[in-house]
Amino acid sequence: EAQVTQNPRYLITVTGKKLTVTCSQNMNHEYMSWYRQDPGLGLRQIYYSMNVEVTDKGDVPEGYKVSRKEKRNFPLILESPSPNQTSLYFCASSTGTGTNQPQHFGDGTRLSIL
Amino acid sequence: AQSVAQPEDQVNVAEGNPLTVKCTYSVSGNPYLFWYVQYPNRGLQFLLKYITGDNLVKGSYGFEAEFNKSQTSFHLKKPSALVSDSALYFCAVRPYGNNRLAFGKGNQVVVIP
Repeated sequence: EAQVTQNPRYLITVTGKKLTVTCSQNMNHEYMSWYRQDPGLGLRQIYYSMNVEVTDKGDVPEGYKVSRKEKRNFPLILESPSPNQTSLYFCASSTGTGTNQPQHFGDGTRLSIL
Repeated sequence: AQSVAQPEDQVNVAEGNPLTVKCTYSVSGNPYLFWYVQYPNRGLQFLLKYITGDNLVKGSYGFEAEFNKSQTSFHLKKPSALVSDSALYFCAVRPYGNNRLAFGKGNQVVVIP
């Protein structure tokens, strides 16, 4: 089954404790992206990747890091999480450059930073 | 920078009645436009897109949307709403040649039996 898998689905942690949210897709997609969803703000793009070793900032990259060492994986790293990063996070992927292709989304990761 | 406006927080409609969810956008150049739907505790699912060509595009689950360049709008429509259409709907825009995707804040649709 074609899917985007995120782990963990839920995480409660404390300020300053490094964490990684993993994202993996099995569709051989080139384009991958991370979003955060906050009430009243919709989805905002954090980082995206056009292919292996190619990443770029979205609209809200501060406090986040990503890497794309393999085509299928695109982890989101919070080196020193803060309470304002409490949010619902989605990973997505699409074929080609992603410019005009629909994105496939994971089921989300709910992060709470205390 | 591109942006999307979904002016209504919630849309209530009786089952069987027409459903419209509004979206306007601001972008430099030609836009690629998308609609997604989100059910509780799930990721977004693609409904339809406008890239070029016919201004009326048809998508999944009986939904359609009309691209209006002069009004910079891309409203989502369904002729007869079902209770199962109750969900959160997002409009998104990506300018041609730009790899960043901008989403609206979403509209909660409630279909009343």
